[in-house]
Amino acid sequence: NAGVTQTPKFRVLKTGQSMTLLCAQDMNHEYMYWYRQDPGMGLRLIHYSVGEGTTAKGEVPDGYNVSRLKKQNFLLGLESAAPSQTSVYFCASTDNRDTEAFFGQGTRLTVV
Amino acid sequence: KNQVEQSPQSLIILEGKNCTLQCNYTVSPFSNLRWYKQDTGRGPVSLTIMTFSENTKSNGRYTATLDADTKQSSLHITASQLSDSASYICVVRPSGAGSYQLTFGKGTKLSVIP
Repeated sequence: NAGVTQTPKFRVLKTGQSMTLLCAQDMNHEYMYWYRQDPGMGLRLIHYSVGEGTTAKGEVPDGYNVSRLKKQNFLLGLESAAPSQTSVYFCASTDNRDTEAFFGQGTRLTVV
Repeated sequence: KNQVEQSPQSLIILEGKNCTLQCNYTVSPFSNLRWYKQDTGRGPVSLTIMTFSENTKSNGRYTATLDADTKQSSLHITASQLSDSASYICVVRPSGAGSYQLTFGKGTKLSVIP
């Protein structure tokens, strides 16, 4: 049972480049989330999805887009990367809002 | 603004000793309070989830307590092990129909030394 898998684990981008982070879960969870974690700050919600085909903005959505075409996958896109988007990105999934969230291993992104 | 404050920021203890981590929150009303363990370079892993009506919950050597009146929670680690070295994060989920956003504390970094 793989749980939540994020791809890639590390990436270096130049300012202005685009990329997509992939999150895949095999637990049949309805809810999926993308967070970013920066030094000295708690995790902050970027976007989330409450089911296949749905997405919604979180606390810090600017500069990111997401898609949930399949229930098991949640994609996070950066259209034009900026140095301020240098961070560690975590995907998480839950079967409802009140159960434990399962997190992926993280993607460390550096924008130069 | 909903906030979760954790103390201390960091803590060093000897292997085998006990320790207690603190969490104060302003999120109100809230649905549940969670404690997560995050090893360096890994994603957070759930330790406990408590609803507002629960006072204590244990998971092995980890015991979380909750005082909803004072808006305080603590995580007690008994007989610490080297593998307990990690960041411990307090998380609160507000109640309400649209409350999907968890409020995360900044974490307490625990180092257990031999």
